[in-house]
Amino acid sequence: DVKVTQSSRYLVKRTGEKVFLECVQDMDHENMFWYRQDPGLGLRLIYFSYDVKMKEKGDIPEGYSVSREKKERFSLILESASTNQTSMYLCASSLTVGSSPGANVLTFGAGSRLTVL
Amino acid sequence: KNEVEQSPQNLTAQEGEFITINCSYSVGISALHWLQQHPGGGIVSLFMLSSGKKKHGRLIATINIQEKHSSLHITASHPRDSAVYICAVRGIQGAQKLVFGQGTRLTINP
Repeated sequence: DVKVTQSSRYLVKRTGEKVFLECVQDMDHENMFWYRQDPGLGLRLIYFSYDVKMKEKGDIPEGYSVSREKKERFSLILESASTNQTSMYLCASSLTVGSSPGANVLTFGAGSRLTVL
Repeated sequence: KNEVEQSPQNLTAQEGEFITINCSYSVGISALHWLQQHPGGGIVSLFMLSSGKKKHGRLIATINIQEKHSSLHITASHPRDSAVYICAVRGIQGAQKLVFGQGTRLTINP
């Protein structure tokens, strides 16, 4: 089974701290995604990456950056955490667009619930 | 107006009932996904479809491309089906990105 592992299930940080959320997948997926999920707003895409060292902004990239130095690892960085970044963060991965049966099906990590005080 | 609308937002039913969750979208799509999220956060992909119907166990997903509408059905519902069900569409352009519905919270009582 494809596994997407997020490093922390729960984090509590203070305003202004730098926060790293790590995500690792073990099935050689090209695409990796970071979403945040908030009540009433659903899942919103922060950033995604379709290859090593490649990244594209999603719908709400402000206040975030990402790093993909290796294919299996996609990191989300909050340079200076703020209280409005308190949220559930979900990482996902998928095979690239194509005709194989598993292409485009997202596999999600368990989520990281971040609280910024 | 959201690009992806789900109804109902909340649904409570008794064990054994037939469940239908609806998803309407307003953009051209290349595929539609149904996802399940249990309490605690983990999301599982149930179906990806671009036409017709798919079935997996007690779950059935249908899509009508002309009407821009999809339904997720659960037959013989069980308390373990209690979860949030999320519809998401993949656009024709920017095909890596999904647009998500708000989710439908389903509670099945024993």
